[in-house]
Amino acid sequence: QVQLQESGPGLVKPSETLSLTCAVSGYSISSGYYWGWIRQPPGKGLEWIGIISHNGNAYYSPSLKSRVTISVHTSKNQFSLKLSSVTAADTAVYYCARGYGSGSNVLDIWGQGTMVTVSS
Amino acid sequence: QSALTQPPSASGSPGQSVTISCTGTSSDVGGYNFVSWYQQHPGKAPKLMIYEVNKRPSGVPDRFSGSKSGNTASLTVSGLQAEDEADYYCSSYAGSNNLVFGGGTKLTVL
Repeated sequence: QVQLQESGPGLVKPSETLSLTCAVSGYSISSGYYWGWIRQPPGKGLEWIGIISHNGNAYYSPSLKSRVTISVHTSKNQFSLKLSSVTAADTAVYYCARGYGSGSNVLDIWGQGTMVTVSS
Repeated sequence: QSALTQPPSASGSPGQSVTISCTGTSSDVGGYNFVSWYQQHPGKAPKLMIYEVNKRPSGVPDRFSGSKSGNTASLTVSGLQAEDEADYYCSSYAGSNNLVFGGGTKLTVL
């Protein structure tokens, strides 16, 4: 059974960099699929952040592209998200997910999500 | 890219059918048969219910069905049950390895 688990600081100061990790169990990242990040501000809808292939090809939301880096760490069976220069608008529950299909349009397995608050 | 447009709310009585729409453009919904639907209960992660417009993952009841016409996709829930009460989000491939979500629809079972 494939499972994903997000981890990272729950509080980040404005202008700093948000860093999260998604640990994958039950499947080897290096075997395939895409691995992505989605966020959900409190009381609002889902926003796609970006996705990375098992061999490191990353694709980002145009609106976040200048601030986002997604990396894959196959030796640890993890992938990570870095979002720089954060503001209060980046406060959200951050989900990691497994993707497949054209543009990884199918997100079939999700982590439980982790809440990140941007505040001084 | 803009978010896909969904009605904020929908409702139906147990046993009835309800349809939720998801409107995009020819650059996303209308341009590809890559529309998915996700169910999200409060405090939980989204769950894939429909992919590639009308395909159901294993384990999803056949009460859930999807369709598309032009730039609008639809999710129909037949034989409404209390546990279907949740938020529903559509998503679509938008080209250039981009994905876009709808704003979400809160489904209430009366």
